[in-house]
Amino acid sequence: GDSVTQMEGPVTLSEEAFLTINCTYTATGYPSLFWYVQYPGEGLQLLLKATKADDKGSNKGFEATYRKETTSFHLEKGSVQVSDSAVYFCALRSGGSARQLTFGSGTQLTVLP
Amino acid sequence: NAGVTQTPKFRVLKTGQSMTLLCAQDMNHEYMYWYRQDPGMGLRLIHYSVGEGTTAKGEVPDGYNVSRLKKQNFLLGLESAAPSQTSVYFCASSYWTDSSGANVLTFGAGSRLTVL
Repeated sequence: GDSVTQMEGPVTLSEEAFLTINCTYTATGYPSLFWYVQYPGEGLQLLLKATKADDKGSNKGFEATYRKETTSFHLEKGSVQVSDSAVYFCALRSGGSARQLTFGSGTQLTVLP
Repeated sequence: NAGVTQTPKFRVLKTGQSMTLLCAQDMNHEYMYWYRQDPGMGLRLIHYSVGEGTTAKGEVPDGYNVSRLKKQNFLLGLESAAPSQTSVYFCASSYWTDSSGANVLTFGAGSRLTVL
């Protein structure tokens, strides 16, 4: 079945540091890939998405490129801020009538001032 | 604000008690989902619905029932709560697809359930 593997957390960075959160996936066919973010006490929000190979999703300074050859969708940001502290989830949606998402386990990010 | 609303936000139950979580969306979405979130395990799909009057099992359906009598509402029921059902429950909804071909989910704020 489909699965998503994220780098283990928690991750602690200083403000303005470079961020990478690794995500690899296993799926049949050509899945769509997503990053969702969960701020403390809130539900998940879509951060960015990519629907086909070599697509780059971007939002709020975050980027991720859909790499089919390495089955990866790593999240990057050049300069993190304290307000980026949250839990980040990588997810995929492959074919099927349910169109549900399969999530990774989440990576807790803390950015210190 | 438009979106997904979950009630209640917090609930404490004793083992064997029953309860229902309500999810309401005002975006006319066809698809609705119930997930549970546990530490280190991400979100796991409990049940889902692809339209009014339909329901289907997800990855972890045991011990839960659902109903979708109206398009905007999706109810999650626990008939006899167990400590293993202590979790944070998230409802989500979506259109079948968007213009990019993706299926973006809108999530509620979550319901924290503790079973003693």
